[in-house]
Amino acid sequence: KNQVEQSPQSLIILEGKNCTLQCNYTVSPFSNLRWYKQDTGRGPVSLTIMTFSENTKSNGRYTATLDADTKQSSLHITASQLSDSASYICVVSAMNSGGYQKVTFGTGTKLQVIP
Amino acid sequence: KAGVTQTPRYLIKTRGQQVTLSCSPISGHRSVSWYQQTPGQGLQFLFEYFSETQRNKGNFPGRFSGRQFSNSRSEMNVSTLELGDSALYLCASSSYYSSGSGDTQYFGPGTRLTVL
Repeated sequence: KNQVEQSPQSLIILEGKNCTLQCNYTVSPFSNLRWYKQDTGRGPVSLTIMTFSENTKSNGRYTATLDADTKQSSLHITASQLSDSASYICVVSAMNSGGYQKVTFGTGTKLQVIP
Repeated sequence: KAGVTQTPRYLIKTRGQQVTLSCSPISGHRSVSWYQQTPGQGLQFLFEYFSETQRNKGNFPGRFSGRQFSNSRSEMNVSTLELGDSALYLCASSSYYSSGSGDTQYFGPGTRLTVL
């Protein structure tokens, strides 16, 4: 069964500090991995997308890494800001036999940045 | 460029009723995917439409159905509503259907459905 597990479930950090969120998956055959940021009451916003051949991708203060061998990804947030408070969702896609993706979502990490 | 729009934003229905939700993708996008988000289950994939054809389907009962029009707008219908259908329903659009290229999906704000 395709699964995506995220840790920690929730995290509180001080403004200005760095943090790293983890995503482990068992999805196969792997197609791509995405990180989304979702503010309360709003739809998710794409942060990064990585395919099999990519192991690092940055988007401003967000840097995602991917280790396809160990099936792990991390999202590193540098110099956190209050606006980073949100849920971060890891989404992994597998390619099905019809050539289309099957997406599996992690349950997310709820990040709270405090002053 | 306008983003993905969903209507209505909020909806209250009673058990047994049916509901239709609407999604207008970003101009030029031909793929629309639907998701259900609940506190307990997180985000779950419902189905994806591309060029008026359902290309991909998640594990939801047949009460959940959808369609896409020639202008790429999509509707999702839920019949015989159950209490457990209360959720945030999100749609996302992308320029092409899901592929290994990792096309970016852009989400709408969602429709909050409450079933009483």
